Order: sequence, then structure tokens, then C-alpha cells
Amino acid sequence: DTAVSQTPKYLVTQMGNDKSIKCEQNLGHDTMYWYKQDSKKFLKIMFSYNNKELIINETVPNRFSPKSPDKAHLNLHINSLELGDSAVYFCASSLIASGTYNEQFFGPGTRLTVL
Amino acid sequence: AQKVTQAQTEISVVEKEDVTLDCVYETRDTTYYLFWYKQPPSGELVFLIRRNSFDEQNEISGRYSWNFQKSTSSFNFTITASQVVDSAVYFCALSGLNTNAGKSTFGDGTTLTVKP
Repeated sequence: DTAVSQTPKYLVTQMGNDKSIKCEQNLGHDTMYWYKQDSKKFLKIMFSYNNKELIINETVPNRFSPKSPDKAHLNLHINSLELGDSAVYFCASSLIASGTYNEQFFGPGTRLTVL
Repeated sequence: AQKVTQAQTEISVVEKEDVTLDCVYETRDTTYYLFWYKQPPSGELVFLIRRNSFDEQNEISGRYSWNFQKSTSSFNFTITASQVVDSAVYFCALSGLNTNAGKSTFGDGTTLTVKP
């Protein structure tokens, strides 16, 4: 049973295209995240949703639009892809219960290559 | 604002050596959580440990141990008798519960190479 899954695992596309990455978790968590990991391995949070509501929106170009249809899913749509968008994108989930903050479970990552 | 600093970018040791990975954090939250994650060459991110701001007890799990000191805002990670399989990028992370609820800040990671 995969806890956090992402599709696709690899995505190769041309500059200017629009693409989506899907994420699903079956852990019953209430919070989901998108991270970007660049070639230097730096891991930066992009968005965070708690119970389908956006709670964290870092300085990310508005070409990136997350959507959470329900608590188990958080998708990332990217418009007009640029070369600098090439990276590994990780989805994660966690449970933020009252008074506590649990560890995050990460998906396997989606390697996006923009040509 | 919250910040995590992992000053060691890369560390290289020979198998069986002990190695300590440093993590220093900054936060204005009174309640916060600290984490360590491991990213082996295969690329997945694996949770190792969580500590909350009210629990300064050190923890040992096999060859791994963690030292949390609020006085110096540090949460260091020691691997005893390192093995080649410990080679990975290790990330320290901070999550605040007050002003930064829902935001996790990761350090830049320390790449550990254990040579046989």
C-alpha cells in the first residue's frame, strides 16, 4: 500500500507547455504540501493545504496553481513551463492535530525536465 | 520568520567512523517541532526523528543519536560506527505551531559520504 503517491514519476516537456502533477495520500492526513528540490538538492516548500484550504503560499510564480479537490489529493498545475522549472517536485502529507505537529510522509517525487 | 542552518555542506568519512551533523535553528514560535530526514541516492525522503520544543531529552536509536539543546538552538545528529549505507543527504527541518503554523522550513542539507 503506497502511502503518498505521485504521477507521473518523470515528465519531459517543451518550454511553454502546460502540465500537471497529481498527488494522493491514503494516510488520512489533513495537510498536504508541494516542495521543489533543485539540482543542488535544496528543498523549498511551495504550498501547503490543510483540510483543502491553502495555508502556505510561498513566493512562487503564479504559473503554479495547486488544487485540492479533497483532503486526500493535492494536484499541481504549471502553465507556460520555463527552463528554470526543471526540478524534482515532491508531494508530502502530515497530520496537524491540535497541539502537535507530526512528521511528513513524502511521495517518490516527480522529475520534471523542461527542454 | 524561521530558519534552519546546516553549516556542513558535505562530509566525508571512512566506514566505522563516528560523524555528527549539525543543525541550528531560529524561530519566534514558543511551540515548534524539529525533524531529521534522510535522502539516500535513490531519491526518496525518509523521516528519521521528531522532537518538540518541550522535550529536550536526547534520543538514541541503534547507531543514531540526537542531541537537542534549546540553549544553543541546536538539534545535532550523530551516527556512530558509520556504514556505507548511511551515505545520503540529511535534512534538518523546523515546523512552528504558532506564527508559522503549517510551514516547514528545511535546512540546505548535508551530504554525507561514507567510504569503505
